[in-house]
Amino acid sequence: DGGITQSPKYLFRKEGQNVTLSCEQNLNHDAMYWYRQDPGQGLRLIYYSQIVNDFQKGDIAEGYSVSREKKESFPLTVTSAQKNPTAFYLCASSIDRGAGNQPQHFGDGTRLSIL
Amino acid sequence: AQKVTQAQTEISVVEKEDVTLDCVYETRDTTYYLFWYKQPPSGELVFLIRRNSFDEQNEISGRYSWNFQKSTSSFNFTITASQVVDSAVYFCALSEPYYGQNFVFGPGTRLSVLP
Repeated sequence: DGGITQSPKYLFRKEGQNVTLSCEQNLNHDAMYWYRQDPGQGLRLIYYSQIVNDFQKGDIAEGYSVSREKKESFPLTVTSAQKNPTAFYLCASSIDRGAGNQPQHFGDGTRLSIL
Repeated sequence: AQKVTQAQTEISVVEKEDVTLDCVYETRDTTYYLFWYKQPPSGELVFLIRRNSFDEQNEISGRYSWNFQKSTSSFNFTITASQVVDSAVYFCALSEPYYGQNFVFGPGTRLSVLP
């Protein structure tokens, strides 16, 4: 089945540690996104990528990094510089981003907590 | 700046009641897109509907209906004869591609349908 796979479902981070969240899609979509969701809040955009080897910062990129070496993969690294990483992270993809009219399709999310 | 307001933080209804979820938006542009998503307890956001700013026709899909009114900048979502499976968080989102602002999400409304 086509879709977006995020792993792991739950992740724990120690102080000073970098962790990487995986996101893979087999929808052949050009655009991919990472969002952060905090309780009672909407989704906030961390990074997005419109094409392989290109990505742009979203609204809350500080403390995060991404790569887009393959069309189907868009991993997110939460670095030690992110002082409040506890949140629910959602990956999404869309056919493209430019027109703004394409719905985004989401994965099941990764819940990150600090140990 | 864009803004999406979902004034109802939480709503509880009894099964078979009708319920309306409100969404009010702010935009500078004449061309924009509105979306509704459902987030069940599993965490994945499920796309429900997209509406462009030039199409003010109301839409019905089974028990779901949407009322788009540009005059009041609202895009409300009604569930008729609610069911327990409708329990979820519902997000409204705005995309304004001309200004490069895609997918600003509202804070969401948590709907609980009680048996």
